Amino acid sequence: DTAVSQTPKYLVTQMGNDKSIKCEQNLGHDTMYWYKQDSKKFLKIMFSYNNKELIINETVPNRFSPKSPDKAHLNLHINSLELGDSAVYFCASSPWGLGTEAFFGQGTRLTVV
Amino acid sequence: AQTVTQSQPEMSVQEAETVTLSCTYDTSENNYYLFWYKQPPSRQMILVIRQEAYKQQNATENRFSVNFQKAAKSFSLKISDSQLGDTAMYFCAFRTNFGNEKLTFGTGTRLTIIP
Repeated sequence: DTAVSQTPKYLVTQMGNDKSIKCEQNLGHDTMYWYKQDSKKFLKIMFSYNNKELIINETVPNRFSPKSPDKAHLNLHINSLELGDSAVYFCASSPWGLGTEAFFGQGTRLTVV
Repeated sequence: AQTVTQSQPEMSVQEAETVTLSCTYDTSENNYYLFWYKQPPSRQMILVIRQEAYKQQNATENRFSVNFQKAAKSFSLKISDSQLGDTAMYFCAFRTNFGNEKLTFGTGTRLTIIP
């Protein structure tokens, strides 16, 4: 009964490749997010979607393209991967407008070599 | 823009002792929410405790409690009777409840419980 699930958990790829990370939530939440955690453990918002509509885009390079086919899914596609993209990427979800906590997936550790 | 500051990069404490992690934040909002998340070595982000700014009473969850000082914009986490399983990164986070729904995180405190 995983609430927020991401696949894959680990991703190792070469520079220049294109890769996708998938996220699904079964909590019925309206809002989904992508966060990036860098090597110093700092967590920063990348995108948020509410009911498939992009709400937040925090000056992320346009090589990163989120896609939300429905409100239960938010995928992240990354083109032309660079070494600096190596990080842990977290998907999260929350109800809209209630100020409640976000529920996180288990993270995807992306390593670009 | 909101900012969250955790001034203790690392802390360690003996098992069964009490430890307090500090967090300060900056906002012009009056209504907001504050959270402490725990990230053990498994990487999973786990909610520890939550505080609504409009509530004066400090939140408690079993061994975890907060000291919320709204005027001082301070939100510290106290862990009583610390256990080995409390070893983790702890993140303070801030969220408003209108418009911008994102969580803003502090830089984290790495807590080690010593047997």
